Amino acid sequence: NAGVTQTPKFRILKIGQSMTLQCTQDMNHNYMYWYRQDPGMGLKLIYYSVGAGITDKGEVPNGYNVSRSTTEDFPLRLELAAPSQTSVYFCASGQGNVNEQFFGPGTRLTVL
Amino acid sequence: DQQVKQNSPSLSVQEGRISILNCDYTNSMFDYFLWYKKYPAEGPTFLISISSIKDKNEDGRFTVFLNKSAKHLSLHIVPSQPGDSAVYFCAAKNTDKLIFGTGTRLQVFP
Repeated sequence: NAGVTQTPKFRILKIGQSMTLQCTQDMNHNYMYWYRQDPGMGLKLIYYSVGAGITDKGEVPNGYNVSRSTTEDFPLRLELAAPSQTSVYFCASGQGNVNEQFFGPGTRLTVL
Repeated sequence: DQQVKQNSPSLSVQEGRISILNCDYTNSMFDYFLWYKKYPAEGPTFLISISSIKDKNEDGRFTVFLNKSAKHLSLHIVPSQPGDSAVYFCAAKNTDKLIFGTGTRLQVFP
């Protein structure tokens, strides 16, 4: 099992550009999550999904969108990139009846 | 308002000694607590957890203690090894979500 994979690893965007961060898991987990981590801070939940077709906002959803058309994939969309979205983004997955989440390696995004 | 707090940003411990990482929380409805370990340029990895109905959970060199009356948990690593040098995050479970602390950077030196 590859676990949770994220692409790209790094990306530099200009203000106003858009992009999609990809996340795929092969563990057949029904729950998936997107977090961002700013320097010196913990992980903040952006969006999460409890199953295909179901998404919900986390703590910091503004400026982002998600979709969950399959169990495996949970892409995160930035429509109009802003410098405040410079961060490291982590995708995670888990089973509903299991407490721990499994994380991908992260995407480091810089918006200039 | 930060519901999960790790007040020590860093900790330095000699190899072979005990490392104690602390975490405080404010919400008494949290029913599960987890510790994650993170190396640079990698995602967090699960380390150990504890249910709110227990006060201790042990896994090899790692032990987590929960004091519900004080809303405090701690992670003990004995003996500490250089490979334990990483950032440690405390997390608390609230329904389907985890709420993370800001992390403590542990450095284990020879």
